[in-house]
Amino acid sequence: GENVEQHPSTLSVQEGDSAVIKCTYSDSASNYFPWYKQELGKRPQLIIDIRSNVGEKKDQRIAVTLNKTAKHFSLHITETQPEDSAVYFCAARRNNDMRFGAGTRLTVKP
Amino acid sequence: GAGVSQTPSNKVTEKGKYVELRCDPISGHTALYWYRQSLGQGPEFLIYFQGTGAADDSGLPNDRFFAVRPEGSVSTLKIQRTERGDSAVYLCASSLGRGGADTQYFGPGTRLTVL
Repeated sequence: GENVEQHPSTLSVQEGDSAVIKCTYSDSASNYFPWYKQELGKRPQLIIDIRSNVGEKKDQRIAVTLNKTAKHFSLHITETQPEDSAVYFCAARRNNDMRFGAGTRLTVKP
Repeated sequence: GAGVSQTPSNKVTEKGKYVELRCDPISGHTALYWYRQSLGQGPEFLIYFQGTGAADDSGLPNDRFFAVRPEGSVSTLKIQRTERGDSAVYLCASSLGRGGADTQYFGPGTRLTVL
């Protein structure tokens, strides 16, 4: 089955700096890669996703890149703000089988 | 419209007891997923329904876990003879069920504590 690894497990940045979180996956048939943000005690919320036929997608301060050959994808957050502090999860999906990474705790210091 | 809802929000039970966790998906979503999330971990897949049938139950950890979705809408996750290791947040998600890349929307979860 699919195996998703996510790094780093914790990330601390200064407000205004960029943050990058990386994930690798094992199943080359996976074709959908969402990123979720989860605040303490809350449900995971989709923040951006990318399909396997696209290499990069951007939405304001958030971007995701996908390298299918290397089987890795990354989340980029620019101009970070304290409200970006949360746990971020990547996931890889083949059909309806979605597997999550272990999460990255991002802290943005004011 | 309403999102995915789950009840109860918290459940405390004693070791060996039986529990039922309920999920109400978004109206019109044919796909429904159950995940388990332990502290500091990502959601772990348990089971996926397409309509009334369990299309993939490969994530259920053992035969104490069972889930149903008799009318293709509400789903119930059932855990028999609960163990302390079952303590976690149980998340439900639903999607349109078109396969491929359709978005999963999560419910708020049920925090299960087994004493």
